[in-house]
Amino acid sequence: DARVTQTPRDKVTEMGQEVTMRCQPILGHNTVFWYRQTMMQGLELLAYFRNRAPLDDSGMPKDRFSAEMPDATLATLKIQPSEPRDSAVYFCASGLVGSGDNEQFFGPGTRLTVL
Amino acid sequence: AQSVAQPEDQVNVAEGNPLTVKCTYSVSGNPYLFWYVQYPNRGLQFLLKYITGDNLVKGSYGFEAEFNKSQTSFHLKKPSALVSDSALYFCAVRAFNQAGTALIFGKGTTLSVSS
Repeated sequence: DARVTQTPRDKVTEMGQEVTMRCQPILGHNTVFWYRQTMMQGLELLAYFRNRAPLDDSGMPKDRFSAEMPDATLATLKIQPSEPRDSAVYFCASGLVGSGDNEQFFGPGTRLTVL
Repeated sequence: AQSVAQPEDQVNVAEGNPLTVKCTYSVSGNPYLFWYVQYPNRGLQFLLKYITGDNLVKGSYGFEAEFNKSQTSFHLKKPSALVSDSALYFCAVRAFNQAGTALIFGKGTTLSVSS
């Protein structure tokens, strides 16, 4: 069955290193979301795209985070340089906005640990 | 401002008893409301949604939610809890901004069902 995939599932890196997280949305979905989940802040929306165009990235620290959709089958979230406070689980979700509702389908997440 | 509140961090119930997980919202216009569930080390899974129509919405795994416009609430309910229902539950509301639409999630409520 169709599902959102994310790679890597786990990433441990050292402070200052670049981190790239990848997401493959469900085929045919026109909207992709990036979320960050921490114990303290809960689930935060970082950015989202519609038809590969960035619609809103106001939740993302601009100085070190960047999100792109090189094509309809790939979304990336990069952190450069990474910091310990970036440690979190990062979720990608996709949906078909415009169909009358906003149901989102979540990937399994990337657990990032920055030492 | 548009927001979602889940007033309880944790709800504890005994197996077989009814459960309620509370959610209140603040949104301009007609609300689109959602419940998601997250099991350990997994992404969020869609449970149910209210767009329009009957105030009582039925969803996956025997869950239902009641939309109450006057109280701006959308509480999640189940007549008889199972141990396997133990998970983290998120209420969400569709938000509108100048860039488009996204979901605003509550902080989450941990449901613990004891045998």
